[in-house]
Amino acid sequence: KQEVTQIPAALSVPEGENLVLNCSFTDSAIYNLQWFRQDPGKGLTSLLLIQSSQREQTSGRLNASLDKSSGRSTLYIAASQPGDSATYLCAVTNNYGQNFVFGPGTRLSVLP
Amino acid sequence: GAVVSQHPSRVICKSGTSVKIECRSLDFQATTMFWYRQFPKQSLMLMATSNEGSKATYEQGVEKDKFLINHASLTLSTLTVTSAHPEDSSFYICSASTGVGGYTFGSGTRLTVV
Repeated sequence: KQEVTQIPAALSVPEGENLVLNCSFTDSAIYNLQWFRQDPGKGLTSLLLIQSSQREQTSGRLNASLDKSSGRSTLYIAASQPGDSATYLCAVTNNYGQNFVFGPGTRLSVLP
Repeated sequence: GAVVSQHPSRVICKSGTSVKIECRSLDFQATTMFWYRQFPKQSLMLMATSNEGSKATYEQGVEKDKFLINHASLTLSTLTVTSAHPEDSSFYICSASTGVGGYTFGSGTRLTVV
């Protein structure tokens, strides 16, 4: 059974810092991995999707890497801003068309 | 892009009543939809997989008679929480495969049972 963990559970940084969020999954036979952002009381915003054949994806200040063999992914946020404050979720699917398994999230606070 | 519309976004209901949540794919056909819930300070957990024209598949620990799922068309899946109780208060969200390897999520429904 696939399990996803995220470290750290919470992170507080001053504005402008670069930071790394970590995600680990137990079953490396994934179809894809996705990073989401969730604001309090809100739905999910998809940030980056990495297919199993890819090693990284970039969008603006965000860069996500995937190391399937070790069951790890990292989300790198450059030059953090207060508007980046949210919970970041990592999720994987094991097959095309199957459900996501979500990690517990990392709650990020970027202080002005 | 593929959009899933989920309604209502928020609902407050009295204990013992039923609540229906709708997820509609607006510009694509969703053969399969997934329903998740998220209790406070916990991660999203899959509740059930909804397949068009057939019975839903429920995850262990999810009562199928309490959480009724109907997926009668390729664009609409509904989740009905029957005889809701305060412990059913949660954030419910649906998602659908867009058929090209991606997934789209609804905006979620925050249910409060008083």
